[in-house]
Amino acid sequence: DAKTTQPTSMDCAEGRAANLPCNHSTISGNEYVYWYRQIHSQGPQYIIHGLKNNETNEMASLIITEDRKSSTLILPHATLRDTAVYYCIVRNPYSGNTGKLIFGQGTTLQVKP
Amino acid sequence: DTAVSQTPKYLVTQMGNDKSIKCEQNLGHDTMYWYKQDSKKFLKIMFSYNNKELIINETVPNRFSPKSPDKAHLNLHINSLELGDSAVYFCASSPWTSGGTDTQYFGPGTRLTVL
Repeated sequence: DAKTTQPTSMDCAEGRAANLPCNHSTISGNEYVYWYRQIHSQGPQYIIHGLKNNETNEMASLIITEDRKSSTLILPHATLRDTAVYYCIVRNPYSGNTGKLIFGQGTTLQVKP
Repeated sequence: DTAVSQTPKYLVTQMGNDKSIKCEQNLGHDTMYWYKQDSKKFLKIMFSYNNKELIINETVPNRFSPKSPDKAHLNLHINSLELGDSAVYFCASSPWTSGGTDTQYFGPGTRLTVL
């Protein structure tokens, strides 16, 4: 079972920031927060991950609360091509070296013109 | 240059047939995976291989048999196809860093329809 809770769907206006929340209240100390997205009919795509510090890359920013029980993925200037299902996943990449990702239902982000 | 490729993209077949899906990655990764996405859009891992050795088998029926001839390839063979096998199957790969697995890169998927 997924260890995260996300809203089922969200809308965002094109050009505005999209803020996608994720709750992971049972996260353990060595688990990272990963974000992937799946654009319609494509394979999932890695976006960003972090342990406890905020992270930024060319796609997005990840803000993790100090207690690490929740996080927010920020797409600073959403475009129509960012319409997708966004998955928040917690995992320990070194646990048993299995590497499996457990996907929940994700948040369907609809970017509107 | 395609990083993770799968063939075929679409596969339509009759119940009871045997079929294979192929996956190749040119990223030099050590670990490869098969995921299944059903009609309700839930993505679930099926298998994982590291350097040609099976490391995850998520209680998948014996009709499903992965085969890794080398670390760049992970094929999925399915015997005696059933209606419930209809789904999109995704292959993925990841590097093996510092004893653990890192970011996964997914292929475009193979849509299997069993009639």
